[in-house]
Amino acid sequence: GAVVSQHPSWVICKSGTSVKIECRSLDFQATTMFWYRQFPKQSLMLMATSNEGSKATYEQGVEKDKFLINHASLTLSTLTVTSAHPEDSSFYICSAPDRAFVTDTQYFGPGTRLTVL
Amino acid sequence: DAKTTQPPSMDCAEGRAANLPCNHSTISGNEYVYWYRQIHSQGPQYIIHGLKNNETNEMASLIITEDRKSSTLILPHATLRDTAVYYCIGVNSGGSNYKLTFGKGTLLTVNP
Repeated sequence: GAVVSQHPSWVICKSGTSVKIECRSLDFQATTMFWYRQFPKQSLMLMATSNEGSKATYEQGVEKDKFLINHASLTLSTLTVTSAHPEDSSFYICSAPDRAFVTDTQYFGPGTRLTVL
Repeated sequence: DAKTTQPPSMDCAEGRAANLPCNHSTISGNEYVYWYRQIHSQGPQYIIHGLKNNETNEMASLIITEDRKSSTLILPHATLRDTAVYYCIGVNSGGSNYKLTFGKGTLLTVNP
């Protein structure tokens, strides 16, 4: 199957700093990628849809000025958590659909664990 | 997308078949049934999907009832590494961008 990578796999930062997370599709192109957030013992929650060459689409309740998304190429999307606070500590996961399938099967990255002190 | 209902947890003995049920009574005609799993602290992993017919791949088999209101994911010989949360999700076909809505899934624990 298609491979999606994320970097870094984990990051610890101080409150008030910004953190950038990269999501790459390694062996296929993705005009669309998705960003999810998962708190402990909870399910994945979709945050936003990243669109190559255009603005991201954010889910209701997600602050677009806090979670900046850039989809600069067909294989790379970045999520920047600006002015991070302890409540932003979470597991961030990206996914990308591989259009080799009729139904755009999505493949997920390994996730990035963010801890804000 | 169809709302899906899964049992919160299940246990299975190592080496035995694990049968994970999913109810999706409101599924529409063009919605596929997708199964993903998430091993602790990892990203979700695609397992299998189907529309009407039963499907099998190297990981699992998917049995969909004739009325498409429910399905069963079968792991034929469960191993300890199959311990994970399994998600059943209804997905519209058509090649358009879509969002996956994750429910709470089923925590499958494979016991030695």
